[in-house]
Amino acid sequence: GQNIDQPTEMTATEGAIVQINCTYQTSGFNGLFWYQQHAGEAPTFLSYNVLDGLEEKGRFSSFLSRSKGYSYLLLKELQMKDSASYLCAVRGRDGGATNKLIFGTGTLLAVQP
Amino acid sequence: DAGVIQSPRHEVTEMGQEVTLRCKPISGHNSLFWYRQTMMRGLELLIYFNNNVPIDDSGMPEDRFSAKMPNASFSTLKIQPSEPRDSAVYFCASSLPWAGGRDTQYFGPGTRLTVL
Repeated sequence: GQNIDQPTEMTATEGAIVQINCTYQTSGFNGLFWYQQHAGEAPTFLSYNVLDGLEEKGRFSSFLSRSKGYSYLLLKELQMKDSASYLCAVRGRDGGATNKLIFGTGTLLAVQP
Repeated sequence: DAGVIQSPRHEVTEMGQEVTLRCKPISGHNSLFWYRQTMMRGLELLIYFNNNVPIDDSGMPEDRFSAKMPNASFSTLKIQPSEPRDSAVYFCASSLPWAGGRDTQYFGPGTRLTVL
């Protein structure tokens, strides 16, 4: 089966650091994506991991451990505009070339002053 | 680049009516995805196309839903007849074909469907 777990909600303070975790169980693995979605808007791409380790992009970093089926998104120097839902998505491998993604239900992050 | 274009942005209809949602993918993208998002179930893939051909429609809830992609620049998702439980935001996304790399999916603004 396919299962992706993320915390439903998190709260953090402006200027702080927050880590959003994602665990997954999928039939095969071919990359993990993080998307950001502001209320009433479309998801937008944040990061991609296919190998173990940390990918850094400005204030955002994403980590992957394939052996543990685990990823996290790290947001530094939080700003009020970072208040949004963060979606973890996994591309499985179903025997052929596919770019089908399975999304978690998302983590709603509230940044407080 | 105009991005993925969806229409209408909002649709309110009555139960039993036919609803047609439209999508224009980013030029040059030949993979297209239809998703449905609700509070309870999150973002669910309904169907996706590669080179205008449906590859996986296992997420289509039932026969009331159908999707077509007559050419590389246009796709429709039709619900007939519509029911109140179909109320959701429907997103279309497009990407370059998978090549083991970062074929990011780009999402359209979505269509908010309300079935009364």
